[in-house]
Amino acid sequence: DQQVKQNSPSLSVQEGRISILNCDYTNSMFDYFLWYKKYPAEGPTFLISISSIKDKNEDGRFTVFLNKSAKHLSLHIVPSQPGDSAVYFCAALSPGAGSYQLTFGKGTKLSVIP
Amino acid sequence: DSGVTQTPKHLITATGQRVTLRCSPRSGDLSVYWYQQSLDQGLQFLIQYYNGEERAKGNILERFSAQQFPDLHSELNLSSLELGDSALYFCASSVTGNEKLFFGSGTQLSVL
Repeated sequence: DQQVKQNSPSLSVQEGRISILNCDYTNSMFDYFLWYKKYPAEGPTFLISISSIKDKNEDGRFTVFLNKSAKHLSLHIVPSQPGDSAVYFCAALSPGAGSYQLTFGKGTKLSVIP
Repeated sequence: DSGVTQTPKHLITATGQRVTLRCSPRSGDLSVYWYQQSLDQGLQFLIQYYNGEERAKGNILERFSAQQFPDLHSELNLSSLELGDSALYFCASSVTGNEKLFFGSGTQLSVL
């Protein structure tokens, strides 16, 4: 039972355009959401996060939007660059003391075409 | 470079065998997590240790076990291996276990 779903396994975008990666979740107990980026032969690296008390968080070219009522979040990359080509994982965190146990989606492979 | 070191990078073994994966956390990090990424699956949480003690357990099979040593490195032991255990195993660490994780580059396990 996938509690965090990324329904698009892959996405291709032209350089300079906007990339929008989507994520849905089912567990209403999740209160913190993160995006990780993964290049081949490397581990995931933290990209951006958002608390459930916010609906938007921005960091440079990256913006994450959260719609709690729809249990949906999205990552916007503007403008997209070839170096952004990677697998992006959406992850969610349940409240709990002393543990940062993340539930991950299956990932979306983003290809930015020069 | 995240500062988390995993060895070996690749491991090829046969069904029924036992292997040990090793993880050295970032300097100063007390908590270690193990995740499994199977083909076409997201990262699945296996187990977390904090300062030598088990703190949280996820979808870890009984054939798998882990420990964290006094020097804070951790080992994940996989026994009676099956074809379905073939996966990428990631270790991650954090300072107290309750904040952002830093991942190693993983160990690719192939069971033939």
